[in-house]
Amino acid sequence: QKEVEQNSGPLSVPEGAIASLNCTYSDRGSQSFFWYRQYSGKSPELIMFIYSNGDKEDGRFTAQLNKASQYVSLLIRDSQPSDSATYLCAVRPNQAGTALIFGKGTTLSVSS
Amino acid sequence: DGGITQSPKYLFRKEGQNVTLSCEQNLNHDAMYWYRQDPGQGLRLIYYSQIVNDFQKGDIAEGYSVSREKKESFPLTVTSAQKNPTAFYLCASRYTGSSGANVLTFGAGSRLTVL
Repeated sequence: QKEVEQNSGPLSVPEGAIASLNCTYSDRGSQSFFWYRQYSGKSPELIMFIYSNGDKEDGRFTAQLNKASQYVSLLIRDSQPSDSATYLCAVRPNQAGTALIFGKGTTLSVSS
Repeated sequence: DGGITQSPKYLFRKEGQNVTLSCEQNLNHDAMYWYRQDPGQGLRLIYYSQIVNDFQKGDIAEGYSVSREKKESFPLTVTSAQKNPTAFYLCASRYTGSSGANVLTFGAGSRLTVL
């Protein structure tokens, strides 16, 4: 059974701090990795995706991928109260036609 | 505007009733998916379809059925055989071509409550 693991949290950080969210996956052959943000009662929305080892930056968000260690992380710089949400890590297994596998999500709380 | 439309947004069902959740997309995506979300459980895959007239079971297909008669539509029926249907249901779609990021796009969701 392919798995994606996340610390459920809650992760609490003060406004302006860096929030670090982590995710590990079991399928070593996975090729695509996604971070979604989900506000309470709403559907997930894509923040970032990453395919290659290393860092990918988009505004205040940085995704980091280490395939050898099978982990992917999301850094949120200058955290804002509006960043308070559940962050879902998703992985596409290396098997044609398969669907994304989601972690259970990490709840982030940013206090002002 | 292109997107995914799910209806109804809220649905109440009596035990023993079948209900059908609608999902329509105008993104010209080939693949469509149904996920179920329970508190603290993340998203679990119910069914998915890569092309019209074809679909595959996900991890929790028991008690559910789907059809894919049109590219734009992928309705989900929650049957009376589903023992604990109260949940938030999410429909999603994805472009499966060789170009682009192939990311999953979600509808707004349907919240089903069994009375």
